[in-house]
Amino acid sequence: GQQLNQSPQSMFIQEGEDVSMNCTSSSIFNTWLWYKQDPGEGPVLLIALYKAGELTSNGRLTAQFGITRKDSFLNISASIPSDVGIYFCAGDSGGTYKYIFGTGTRLKVLA
Amino acid sequence: ETGVTQSPTHLIKTRGQQVTLRCSSQSGHNTVSWYQQALGQGPQFIFQYYREEENGRGNFPPRFSGLQFPNYSSELNVNALELDDSALYLCASSPGGGIANLMNTEAFFGQGTRLTVV
Repeated sequence: GQQLNQSPQSMFIQEGEDVSMNCTSSSIFNTWLWYKQDPGEGPVLLIALYKAGELTSNGRLTAQFGITRKDSFLNISASIPSDVGIYFCAGDSGGTYKYIFGTGTRLKVLA
Repeated sequence: ETGVTQSPTHLIKTRGQQVTLRCSSQSGHNTVSWYQQALGQGPQFIFQYYREEENGRGNFPPRFSGLQFPNYSSELNVNALELDDSALYLCASSPGGGIANLMNTEAFFGQGTRLTVV
């Protein structure tokens, strides 16, 4: 099935560092969502984006809806050990809730 | 806590058997979508139910079927199980289906059902 491209695939960072990851699509989306998934759990919604160019924050997390509507970015500032997990982007082209997910970025934080 | 609950949490079935997975959506949400997540991959859209009718389907064969009930809870049924059906099955609940309010299209996931086919 179709999946969006996320990069990097995985990253190790030191506690306190900032993290950036992105997601790209060949299609235009009207909505971008960012999720975090812990092992054995369902994805938890972090941030929702609805407008090209939009920049939205949720605590230490900031996400942007790309101007081309074909990409999105997630930044985590001052990472902490509990940020460990897999981050997924998801896009929806028509407000239908039928999301296409990215391949995931696995984040590991070294204390 | 999303308010979306799935049962069972784990299940082991034999190839060729049939399985039913269940999902209770978040209060006030009338749209339920099902996703399959294979190990190491992102979730793949299976189908969506809105007001008890199928409202879109991904690239999955007809042996994957579903139901939605008047209280908006839902079931996913898989017949003739294959080894490749082993995955985490996720249910996502959303506040409105059909023509969605474009400013409120979040999907909230349950904890998933881990299905193992042997």
